[in-house]
Amino acid sequence: NAGVTQTPKFRILKIGQSMTLQCTQDMNHNYMYWYRQDPGMGLKLIYYSVGAGITDKGEVPNGYNVSRSTTEDFPLRLELAAPSQTSVYFCASSDWDGRTYEQYFGPGTRLTVT
Amino acid sequence: AQKITQTQPGMFVQEKEAVTLDCTYDTSDPSYGLFWYKQPSSGEMIFLIYQGSYDQQNATEGRYSLNFQKARKSANLVISASQLGDSAMYFCAMRVPNDYKLSFGAGTTVTVRA
Repeated sequence: NAGVTQTPKFRILKIGQSMTLQCTQDMNHNYMYWYRQDPGMGLKLIYYSVGAGITDKGEVPNGYNVSRSTTEDFPLRLELAAPSQTSVYFCASSDWDGRTYEQYFGPGTRLTVT
Repeated sequence: AQKITQTQPGMFVQEKEAVTLDCTYDTSDPSYGLFWYKQPSSGEMIFLIYQGSYDQQNATEGRYSLNFQKARKSANLVISASQLGDSAMYFCAMRVPNDYKLSFGAGTTVTVRA
């Protein structure tokens, strides 16, 4: 199993550009998440999904959009990139394993907006 | 709303010694789960240990143990026999039922000295 994969690993955007961060999981998990991590800080939830076709906002959703057309994929869209969106973005997935809803994280995407 | 507090931004520990990382939490839900993750300098998030609020015993996973004091709302991580590879940032996180996301603390950086 590959687990949670994210592409790209690194990206530099100019202010106002758009991009989509890809996230795919092969564990058939219902729940998927997008977090951002600013330097020296913890993770903050951007959006999450409890199943295909269902998404909801987290703590810091402004400037982002998501979709969940399949169980496996949960792309994150940045429409008009701003310097404040410079961060590391983590995708995660989880489901009940009999004891916990442990979240499995992807390797992250390091995004710089200049 | 759930809140996780990690008050130690950084710690130094001598190789082979034990280190305790503090985590306090706040929730009004009687059922919750507490997680610890490790984030090495390479950036990935690695799950370490889980404690459920109704678990009778403190969780242990190899050299990691969780000192769970429910009345004090604390869930401190103890790393025994520290190794150089334990140098990383450590995050405490909490999940409550029907709130599928994890709430993260700000993290504690551990540096193991030879």
